[in-house]
Amino acid sequence: SAVISQKPSRDICQRGTSLTIQCQVDSQVTMMFWYRQQPGQSLTLIATANQGSEATYESGFVIDKFPISRPNLTFSTLTVSNMSPEDSSIYLCSVDKQGVGEAFFGQGTRLTVV
Amino acid sequence: SQQGEEDPQALSIQEGENATMNCSYKTSINNLQWYRQNSGRGLVHLILIRSNEREKHSGRLRVTLDTSKKSSSLLITASRAADTASYFCATASFSGGYNKLIFGAGTRLAVHP
Repeated sequence: SAVISQKPSRDICQRGTSLTIQCQVDSQVTMMFWYRQQPGQSLTLIATANQGSEATYESGFVIDKFPISRPNLTFSTLTVSNMSPEDSSIYLCSVDKQGVGEAFFGQGTRLTVV
Repeated sequence: SQQGEEDPQALSIQEGENATMNCSYKTSINNLQWYRQNSGRGLVHLILIRSNEREKHSGRLRVTLDTSKKSSSLLITASRAADTASYFCATASFSGGYNKLIFGAGTRLAVHP
């Protein structure tokens, strides 16, 4: 298993501002994943983050809007930039320790943009 | 893109009853997993079934997988009020050097005391 600490747990932000979400894992992992869950919806993968390389973004997500850092094997950040109300969602980080796709998730960041 | 379709979207039952949720998917997979989410928090992994397995049990959970029909079901037996949550299936397919998860739309389960 893995223990993942994600913060902040929630925030209310003004449109046009940016928010950086942090994800800390209790052990070293190769890949970390960032998801978005819009209200009442399922999870959509934003990007995968490998230590020492650029994040790989899924279709519909771009680095300018969602810059990701991965400075070491236990930590990653996702920034939601130039926010609009449409960015109001839960953002979740996860890891796959065993490489079979079994994911361990942080508690999520509930973002409201006003 | 969303691969998994789940039904029902919502399910309301009484404590002690069984709850069955179904998931369908479109492409070949390495495994299929079920997750639980309480009140918009993080997801908790429940069970994983490999593509060469047909049925798996874990406590009160029973999962089946039919790769010919590209479908899976999750059965929760003797449900409890504490089982109230959203349940998501997720398919894992190897892509770009890792097992990529694609989540279904989810089933909201309400168990009434």
